[in-house]
Amino acid sequence: AQSVTQLDSHVSVSEGTPVLLRCNYSSSYSPSLFWYVQHPNKGLQLLLKYTSAATLVKGINGFEAEFKKSETSFHLTKPSAHMSDAAEYFCVVIPLYNQGGKLIFGQGTELSVKP
Amino acid sequence: KAGVTQTPRYLIKTRGQQVTLSCSPISGHRSVSWYQQTPGQGLQFLFEYFSETQRNKGNFPGRFSGRQFSNSRFEMNVSTLELGDSALYLCASSWGTRPDEQYFGPGTRLTVT
Repeated sequence: AQSVTQLDSHVSVSEGTPVLLRCNYSSSYSPSLFWYVQHPNKGLQLLLKYTSAATLVKGINGFEAEFKKSETSFHLTKPSAHMSDAAEYFCVVIPLYNQGGKLIFGQGTELSVKP
Repeated sequence: KAGVTQTPRYLIKTRGQQVTLSCSPISGHRSVSWYQQTPGQGLQFLFEYFSETQRNKGNFPGRFSGRQFSNSRFEMNVSTLELGDSALYLCASSWGTRPDEQYFGPGTRLTVT
């Protein structure tokens, strides 16, 4: 079965330093992968998506992610953290034979940004 | 254009009662999905409707049911509420012809006492 594992439940960085949020996926095929962000008391917002067109995917707010099949990883990065990046981030996969509408979420990584 | 809207934003109910949550998808989107978010279980898929028909269902009991109207507006009903139903319920919509990214509403926070 397809799944995603977020390797860190909490990451803390200082403002202006790089951000790395790690995600490994489990799939026997080339999956569709996403990163979503959830700010407190808000819904989920799509940051970026990978659908096999390019291994390096650029998203909103300066985030990007690289799909590495050899490592089964899809880590999210940002060169310089901003205070407004503090939120919870979810790595998401669409399961195989999905008949529509079902996303599988990782457990989430809470990002804290210190001034 | 307007995003996904959910009403109400907050609800407090008593165990044993039933509750109805509403969702209006983005105009033109025909697929509506629901997720339950709790601290312990994270985000779990409840079900998805496409053009008023249930297309996919998660591992939740029959107490959770849904209905999609012809204008794509959606109502989720939870009967015989249990304490464990306390959660943030998120509605998401998409165009729906194929699995793709979904657009989420702000959620309804349900507290069962």
